[in-house]
Amino acid sequence: EAQVTQNPRYLITVTGKKLTVTCSQNMNHEYMSWYRQDPGLGLRQIYYSMNVEVTDKGDVPEGYKVSRKEKRNFPLILESPSPNQTSLYFCASSLGTGRGYTFGSGTRLTVV
Amino acid sequence: QKEVEQNSGPLSVPEGAIASLNCTYSDRGSQSFFWYRQYSGKSPELIMFIYSNGDKEDGRFTAQLNKASQYVSLLIRDSQPSDSATYLCAVEDGYKLSFGAGTTVTVRA
Repeated sequence: EAQVTQNPRYLITVTGKKLTVTCSQNMNHEYMSWYRQDPGLGLRQIYYSMNVEVTDKGDVPEGYKVSRKEKRNFPLILESPSPNQTSLYFCASSLGTGRGYTFGSGTRLTVV
Repeated sequence: QKEVEQNSGPLSVPEGAIASLNCTYSDRGSQSFFWYRQYSGKSPELIMFIYSNGDKEDGRFTAQLNKASQYVSLLIRDSQPSDSATYLCAVEDGYKLSFGAGTTVTVRA
């Protein structure tokens, strides 16, 4: 089944403890992206990647890192999480411009 | 100014009626336009895309695009209770895909 898989689905962590949210897609998509979704603010793009080793900042990149060492994987790293990073995170992938994104199931992160 | 704005909800329509959702965008360079549906607690799901001015129909859904007015809309005909969800407008310019905050639609039986 074609899908984007994120792990974990739920995560509670403490301020400053480094964490990684994994994302993997099995559709051989070139584009991958991370979004956060907050009430009233909608989906905001954190980082995106056009291909292996090619990444760029979205609208809200502060406090996040990404890497794209393989085409199928695009992990999101929070080096020192803070409470304002409490949010619902989505990974998404696409064949390319104009094709639309397929979203993962989401990761609900709480930083206390 | 937000890049993508949607009409504020929630929108409540009776079963069988037409639900009309509107979206405006600020970037004239935008090339592709999408509508996503998001059920509560679920991830967004692509339901329509449109690239050219005019109408595009897919089943009970019709997307309309007017680039001169920077306006995109979605009509849901013969609304069903299963259409109750939040609808997200998304606008693409190159690699950047920007979303509106969404409009929540409730279809009452």
